[in-house]
Amino acid sequence: GAGVSQSPSNKVTEKGKDVELRCDPISGHTALYWYRQSLGQGLEFLIYFQGNSAPDKSGLPSDRFSAERTGGSVSTLTIQRTQQEDSAVYLCASSSIRGLAGGIYNEQFFGPGTRLTVL
Amino acid sequence: DAKTTQPPSMDCAEGRAANLPCNHSTISGNEYVYWYRQIHSQGPQYIIHGLKNNETNEMASLIITEDRKSSTLILPHATLRDTAVYYCIVRVVDKLSFGAGTTVTVRA
Repeated sequence: GAGVSQSPSNKVTEKGKDVELRCDPISGHTALYWYRQSLGQGLEFLIYFQGNSAPDKSGLPSDRFSAERTGGSVSTLTIQRTQQEDSAVYLCASSSIRGLAGGIYNEQFFGPGTRLTVL
Repeated sequence: DAKTTQPPSMDCAEGRAANLPCNHSTISGNEYVYWYRQIHSQGPQYIIHGLKNNETNEMASLIITEDRKSSTLILPHATLRDTAVYYCIVRVVDKLSFGAGTTVTVRA
């Protein structure tokens, strides 16, 4: 496909259950990001993968959150023992970092998100 | 990262230009200005970015003041499909962080 895809689009779970959210980035993009967006709030960075480097986990809110990226492509975000405050839209983005004279920038392409509701 | 300030909302008439301001008075020399937008129930969409010079692409124009402390995103001919929340971000690389943005409503 041409864009970033995420599954499922919606997930309703009970408090205390584990959930897995999947992201398929754009083919060839070396960077992959997970964010979450709570109702009416801005975007909150969670974790970042770049090639074979160790991921930047600085945004993960607790040790209940983890993510992996297999084969440099598909990524799974896992939330263990979900809590009601975990309810949000979880967004995945991918990018191909390009170099420019004087600096670098990246244009991130976002998926449609997974809406997680913890009851 | 430099903090940005945007008006919470604005209305625009269909077919007219929409000018969205953003203040980033603490921007440093190597920080780029990015604009993204988010249409309801969709993921954010990249619009444009710039460092010092004004930029234009098929979606919009970006005007950055000479001191780089503010910028304006211009949608030259707003359509109903441009109704969205627009985010101004100042960042060196990766890890985007959006604030509340400007909710733009284009009216027929």
